Amino acid sequence: AQRVTQPEKLLSVFKGAPVELKCNYSYSGSPELFWYVQYSRQRLQLLLRHISRESIKGFTADLNKGETSFHLKKPFAQEEDSAMYYCALTVSGNTPLVFGKGTRLSVIA
Amino acid sequence: GAGVSQTPSNKVTEKGKYVELRCDPISGHTALYWYRQSLGQGPEFLIYFQGTGAADDSGLPNDRFFAVRPEGSVSTLKIQRTERGDSAVYLCASSLRFGEKLFFGSGTQLSVL
Repeated sequence: AQRVTQPEKLLSVFKGAPVELKCNYSYSGSPELFWYVQYSRQRLQLLLRHISRESIKGFTADLNKGETSFHLKKPFAQEEDSAMYYCALTVSGNTPLVFGKGTRLSVIA
Repeated sequence: GAGVSQTPSNKVTEKGKYVELRCDPISGHTALYWYRQSLGQGPEFLIYFQGTGAADDSGLPNDRFFAVRPEGSVSTLKIQRTERGDSAVYLCASSLRFGEKLFFGSGTQLSVL
């Protein structure tokens, strides 16, 4: 079965510092990986997906099949980045998304 | 345009009662998903519909849980004989087609006393 692991429940960084939210997955096939974000009092929404290889709000994530990781990175954290971040996986778009437990990012001014 | 709408936003019930949670997806979205999110956990898949049919209900925890989408639009998640362990936020999402970007509703907070 597919599994997504986010080892950190809470990550606190200072404004302007680099951010890395860790995500590891277990699946041996061809997964599609996503990051979803939930800002305070807002709905869960898609931040980015690995197949589009785009940068959203300064965030990027690279799929590393060797390390089975899809870490989310941003070089300079902003206060508005404070939110819950969930890593999610589907198998070639053929299975429903499986989510990790999430990491709460707190950016301190 | 309206996003995914879920009603009620909060539901408090007593152990053993029956509840229905409603989801109104984005118009034209053929795929509809139900997830459950317990405190401190990520969303856990329950069931998804492609049109009117349940394409995958493997996430439903037991036969007390059932969902329908009779006309391929609005969906209702039904929970019989509720238990305290059913307390959670129930999230609905829809997508234009299965596998495409999910749009989530605000969720229904279910509390079973």
